[in-house]
Amino acid sequence: DTEVTQTPKHLVMGMTNKKSLKCEQHMGHRAMYWYKQKAKKPPELMFVYSYEKLSINESVPSRFSPECPNSSLLNLHLHALQPEDSALYLCASSQEGPRLHNEQFFGPGTRLTVL
Amino acid sequence: EDKVVQSPLSLVVHEGDTVTLNCSYEVTNFRSLLWYKQEKKAPTFLFMLTSSGIEKKSGRLSSILDKKELFSILNITATQTGDSAVYLCAVFNAGGTSYGKLTFGQGTILTVHP
Repeated sequence: DTEVTQTPKHLVMGMTNKKSLKCEQHMGHRAMYWYKQKAKKPPELMFVYSYEKLSINESVPSRFSPECPNSSLLNLHLHALQPEDSALYLCASSQEGPRLHNEQFFGPGTRLTVL
Repeated sequence: EDKVVQSPLSLVVHEGDTVTLNCSYEVTNFRSLLWYKQEKKAPTFLFMLTSSGIEKKSGRLSSILDKKELFSILNITATQTGDSAVYLCAVFNAGGTSYGKLTFGQGTILTVHP
């Protein structure tokens, strides 16, 4: 299995809702990442988990809350989002943690719309 | 602040043409440069370059890194309509004593007409 899966593919939520994005990989990778990508822009790093510990938080607002239940799973909990948070949310994984330069493999993304 | 700049921002060619995409960077603690292809959804990994002057090749795609001049090029020969995509360049900053991260360029939109 050489892929990263993400659910749901699409999500529409109101500003008062609480929802979660899920990401899974079974490649034995030890680092997992959340990126946010706005239309016609490159991905922007949000969080990095290395060996199930949060190692990078790129000053992301607290309405985004990551969680890594185990080495294969990564969640992003969403609460009280704003319309400007609408974007494609990409999960990625890499073999080793972010100290080492290894390729990151991306999931298909969740297209999030906040009304 | 780390910077990755790609050029051109967009390119329109016809099938069979050869294209060259450029990526220049200013990054502290450079470790590697990666190329990705992004169609509708997830970026798919193409190449990772760490050493200067060594060409990486995969079918009609090839890439080379110049660490002295701080740039990389991605060549696509005999382009096909399926090559139409956004090509992203990303540079890994090792981060010194802290964790490193990927910084992406803004991408080159390639459109290949039949």
